[in-house]
Amino acid sequence: GAGVSQSPRYKVTKRGQDVALRCDPISGHVSLYWYRQALGQGPEFLTYFNYEAQQDKSGLPNDRFSAERPEGSISTLTIQRTEQRDSAMYRCASSLMGESDTQYFGPGTRLTVL
Amino acid sequence: AQSVTQLDSQVPVFEEAPVELRCNYSSSVSVYLFWYVQYPNQGLQLLLKYLSGSTLVESINGFEAEFNKSQTSFHLRKPSVHISDTAEYFCAVSDDGGYNKLIFGAGTRLAVHP
Repeated sequence: GAGVSQSPRYKVTKRGQDVALRCDPISGHVSLYWYRQALGQGPEFLTYFNYEAQQDKSGLPNDRFSAERPEGSISTLTIQRTEQRDSAMYRCASSLMGESDTQYFGPGTRLTVL
Repeated sequence: AQSVTQLDSQVPVFEEAPVELRCNYSSSVSVYLFWYVQYPNQGLQLLLKYLSGSTLVESINGFEAEFNKSQTSFHLRKPSVHISDTAEYFCAVSDDGGYNKLIFGAGTRLAVHP
Protein backbone atom coordinates (compact mmCIF):
# COMPACT_ATOMS: atom_id res chain seq x y z
CA GLY A 1 0.00 0.00 0.00
CA ALA A 2 0.96 3.65 -0.21
CA GLY A 3 3.34 5.00 2.36
CA VAL A 4 3.52 8.43 3.92
CA SER A 5 3.76 11.12 1.29
CA GLN A 6 4.95 14.67 1.64
CA SER A 7 4.78 17.64 -0.67
CA PRO A 8 6.53 19.48 -1.97
CA ARG A 9 9.72 17.43 -1.90
CA TYR A 10 11.81 20.57 -2.28
CA LYS A 11 10.91 24.13 -1.44
CA VAL A 12 13.06 27.19 -1.96
CA THR A 13 11.72 30.43 -0.58
CA LYS A 14 12.90 33.89 0.27
CA ARG A 15 13.30 35.08 3.80
CA GLY A 16 10.08 36.54 5.13
CA GLN A 17 7.75 34.41 3.03
CA ASP A 18 5.28 31.92 4.49
CA VAL A 19 5.47 28.24 3.55
CA ALA A 20 3.07 25.35 3.97
CA LEU A 21 4.31 21.79 4.02
CA ARG A 22 1.89 18.95 3.53
CA CYS A 23 1.86 15.42 4.93
CA ASP A 24 -0.46 12.63 3.81
CA PRO A 25 -0.21 9.74 6.30
CA ILE A 26 -0.82 6.08 5.69
CA SER A 27 -4.55 5.47 5.44
CA GLY A 28 -6.06 4.59 8.80
CA HIS A 29 -3.13 5.78 10.86
CA VAL A 30 -4.31 7.61 13.94
CA SER A 31 -1.10 9.32 14.98
CA LEU A 32 0.89 11.83 12.96
CA TYR A 33 4.22 13.39 13.86
CA TRP A 34 6.34 16.22 12.50
CA TYR A 35 10.12 16.29 12.88
CA ARG A 36 12.81 18.66 11.66
CA GLN A 37 16.28 17.47 10.69
CA ALA A 38 19.20 19.81 10.28
CA LEU A 39 22.23 18.74 8.25
CA GLY A 40 24.38 16.32 10.20
CA GLN A 41 21.81 15.86 12.94
CA GLY A 42 19.07 13.42 13.78
CA PRO A 43 15.39 14.32 13.47
CA GLU A 44 14.05 16.62 16.16
CA PHE A 45 10.44 16.29 17.35
CA LEU A 46 8.18 19.23 16.57
CA THR A 47 4.58 18.22 17.20
CA TYR A 48 2.19 15.28 17.31
CA PHE A 49 -1.48 14.59 16.59
CA ASN A 50 -3.91 11.87 17.53
CA TYR A 51 -6.74 12.09 15.02
CA GLU A 52 -7.32 15.83 14.64
CA ALA A 53 -6.20 16.75 18.16
CA GLN A 54 -2.77 18.25 18.59
CA GLN A 55 -1.44 16.37 21.60
CA ASP A 56 1.95 17.94 22.01
CA LYS A 57 3.47 20.99 20.37
CA SER A 58 6.35 21.39 22.75
CA GLY A 59 8.91 20.97 19.98
CA LEU A 60 7.71 23.87 17.84
CA PRO A 61 10.59 26.36 18.08
CA ASN A 62 8.51 29.55 18.22
CA ASP A 63 5.12 30.96 17.33
CA ARG A 64 6.00 31.25 13.63
CA PHE A 65 5.51 27.50 13.44
CA SER A 66 2.06 25.94 13.52
CA ALA A 67 0.48 22.69 12.45
CA GLU A 68 -3.03 21.43 11.88
CA ARG A 69 -4.81 18.23 10.97
CA PRO A 70 -8.41 19.36 10.68
CA GLU A 71 -10.00 16.09 9.50
CA GLY A 72 -7.68 13.68 11.21
CA SER A 73 -5.86 12.74 8.04
CA ILE A 74 -3.73 15.19 6.04
CA SER A 75 -1.64 17.60 8.06
CA THR A 76 -0.08 20.92 7.20
CA LEU A 77 2.95 22.45 8.88
CA THR A 78 3.08 26.19 8.32
CA ILE A 79 6.06 28.42 8.87
CA GLN A 80 5.37 32.14 8.79
CA ARG A 81 7.94 34.82 8.00
CA THR A 82 10.62 32.26 7.23
CA GLU A 83 14.19 32.82 8.34
CA GLN A 84 17.40 31.28 7.04
CA ARG A 85 17.72 29.21 10.22
CA ASP A 86 14.47 27.43 9.27
CA SER A 87 16.30 25.69 6.41
CA ALA A 88 16.18 21.95 7.09
CA MET A 89 14.55 18.68 6.10
CA TYR A 90 11.03 18.48 7.50
CA ARG A 91 9.86 14.93 8.07
CA CYS A 92 6.43 13.58 8.74
CA ALA A 93 5.65 10.18 10.24
CA SER A 94 2.49 8.30 11.05
CA SER A 95 1.63 5.33 13.22
CA LEU A 96 -1.40 3.17 13.68
CA MET A 97 -2.24 3.99 17.27
CA GLY A 98 0.66 5.78 18.98
CA GLU A 99 2.30 4.19 21.94
CA SER A 100 4.81 1.53 20.94
CA ASP A 101 3.57 1.43 17.35
CA THR A 102 6.09 1.80 14.59
CA GLN A 103 6.39 5.26 13.10
CA TYR A 104 6.56 5.23 9.31
CA PHE A 105 8.38 8.17 7.84
CA GLY A 106 7.75 10.03 4.65
CA PRO A 107 10.50 11.13 2.25
CA GLY A 108 10.67 14.62 3.76
CA THR A 109 10.50 18.15 2.41
CA ARG A 110 13.82 19.93 1.95
CA LEU A 111 13.23 23.60 2.80
CA THR A 112 15.80 26.18 1.79
CA VAL A 113 15.32 29.77 2.88
CA LEU A 114 17.43 32.24 0.96
CA ALA B 1 13.96 14.60 29.17
CA GLN B 2 15.70 11.85 27.31
CA SER B 3 18.84 12.29 25.25
CA VAL B 4 20.66 9.94 22.89
CA THR B 5 24.37 9.81 22.14
CA GLN B 6 25.80 8.09 19.11
CA LEU B 7 29.50 8.13 19.76
CA ASP B 8 30.68 7.60 16.19
CA SER B 9 29.65 9.96 13.43
CA GLN B 10 31.26 7.79 10.76
CA VAL B 11 32.25 4.13 10.69
CA PRO B 12 34.23 2.85 7.70
CA VAL B 13 34.45 -0.92 7.37
CA PHE B 14 35.36 -3.49 4.74
CA GLU B 15 32.79 -5.82 3.27
CA GLU B 16 32.21 -9.02 5.28
CA ALA B 17 33.77 -7.51 8.40
CA PRO B 18 31.79 -7.20 11.65
CA VAL B 19 30.51 -3.82 12.77
CA GLU B 20 29.14 -2.24 15.95
CA LEU B 21 27.38 1.10 16.02
CA ARG B 22 27.18 2.49 19.51
CA CYS B 23 24.20 4.16 21.15
CA ASN B 24 23.77 5.38 24.72
CA TYR B 25 20.71 7.08 26.18
CA SER B 26 20.08 8.99 29.37
CA SER B 27 18.62 6.90 32.14
CA SER B 28 14.93 6.49 32.70
CA VAL B 29 12.55 4.14 34.43
CA SER B 30 11.44 2.53 31.21
CA VAL B 31 12.07 3.27 27.60
CA TYR B 32 11.35 2.04 24.13
CA LEU B 33 14.43 1.91 21.90
CA PHE B 34 14.72 2.00 18.14
CA TRP B 35 17.23 1.88 15.33
CA TYR B 36 16.24 3.56 12.08
CA VAL B 37 18.19 3.38 8.81
CA GLN B 38 18.32 5.91 6.02
CA TYR B 39 19.65 4.68 2.70
CA PRO B 40 20.95 7.27 0.22
CA ASN B 41 18.13 9.40 -1.19
CA GLN B 42 15.48 7.56 0.81
CA GLY B 43 13.44 8.22 3.93
CA LEU B 44 13.92 6.76 7.40
CA GLN B 45 13.00 3.09 7.82
CA LEU B 46 12.64 1.19 11.07
CA LEU B 47 15.39 -1.42 11.40
CA LEU B 48 14.49 -2.89 14.80
CA LYS B 49 12.97 -1.94 18.12
CA TYR B 50 12.98 -2.93 21.77
CA LEU B 51 9.76 -2.55 23.71
CA SER B 52 9.98 -5.24 26.40
CA GLY B 53 10.92 -8.88 26.90
CA SER B 54 14.11 -10.31 25.45
CA THR B 55 16.92 -7.80 25.57
CA LEU B 56 18.28 -9.01 22.22
CA VAL B 57 16.31 -7.95 19.18
CA GLU B 58 17.01 -8.82 15.57
CA SER B 59 16.17 -7.43 12.17
CA ILE B 60 15.40 -9.41 9.04
CA ASN B 61 18.66 -8.40 7.36
CA GLY B 62 21.07 -9.69 9.98
CA PHE B 63 21.40 -6.74 12.34
CA GLU B 64 20.86 -7.18 16.06
CA ALA B 65 20.83 -4.87 19.06
CA GLU B 66 21.00 -5.57 22.75
CA PHE B 67 19.28 -3.50 25.40
CA ASN B 68 21.60 -3.07 28.38
CA LYS B 69 19.77 -1.29 31.17
CA SER B 70 22.74 -1.03 33.53
CA GLN B 71 24.87 0.62 30.86
CA THR B 72 21.94 2.50 29.29
CA SER B 73 23.07 1.27 25.89
CA PHE B 74 21.46 -0.15 22.77
CA HIS B 75 24.37 -0.93 20.46
CA LEU B 76 23.71 -2.21 16.94
CA ARG B 77 25.79 -5.07 15.56
CA LYS B 78 26.16 -7.14 12.44
CA PRO B 79 28.66 -10.00 12.14
CA SER B 80 29.29 -9.53 8.41
CA VAL B 81 28.34 -6.39 6.48
CA HIS B 82 27.53 -5.98 2.81
CA ILE B 83 28.03 -3.07 0.46
CA SER B 84 24.27 -2.59 0.53
CA ASP B 85 24.41 -1.81 4.27
CA THR B 86 26.00 1.54 3.47
CA ALA B 87 23.61 4.05 5.01
CA GLU B 88 23.08 6.38 7.93
CA TYR B 89 21.85 4.76 11.11
CA PHE B 90 19.90 6.60 13.79
CA CYS B 91 19.29 5.42 17.32
CA ALA B 92 16.14 6.72 18.97
CA VAL B 93 14.45 6.49 22.35
CA SER B 94 10.89 7.20 23.36
CA ASP B 95 10.33 10.22 25.51
CA ASP B 96 9.36 9.64 29.13
CA GLY B 97 5.81 10.53 28.21
CA GLY B 98 5.28 6.96 27.10
CA TYR B 99 3.96 7.58 23.62
CA ASN B 100 6.10 7.53 20.56
CA LYS B 101 7.65 10.97 20.72
CA LEU B 102 11.07 9.90 19.56
CA ILE B 103 14.36 11.46 20.58
CA PHE B 104 17.02 10.74 17.97
CA GLY B 105 20.77 10.62 18.11
CA ALA B 106 22.86 12.53 15.58
CA GLY B 107 23.35 9.44 13.43
CA THR B 108 26.25 7.23 12.37
CA ARG B 109 27.24 7.00 8.75
CA LEU B 110 28.26 3.43 7.94
CA ALA B 111 30.43 3.17 4.84
CA VAL B 112 31.12 -0.37 3.63
CA HIS B 113 34.07 -0.68 1.26
CA PRO B 114 34.86 -3.60 -1.08
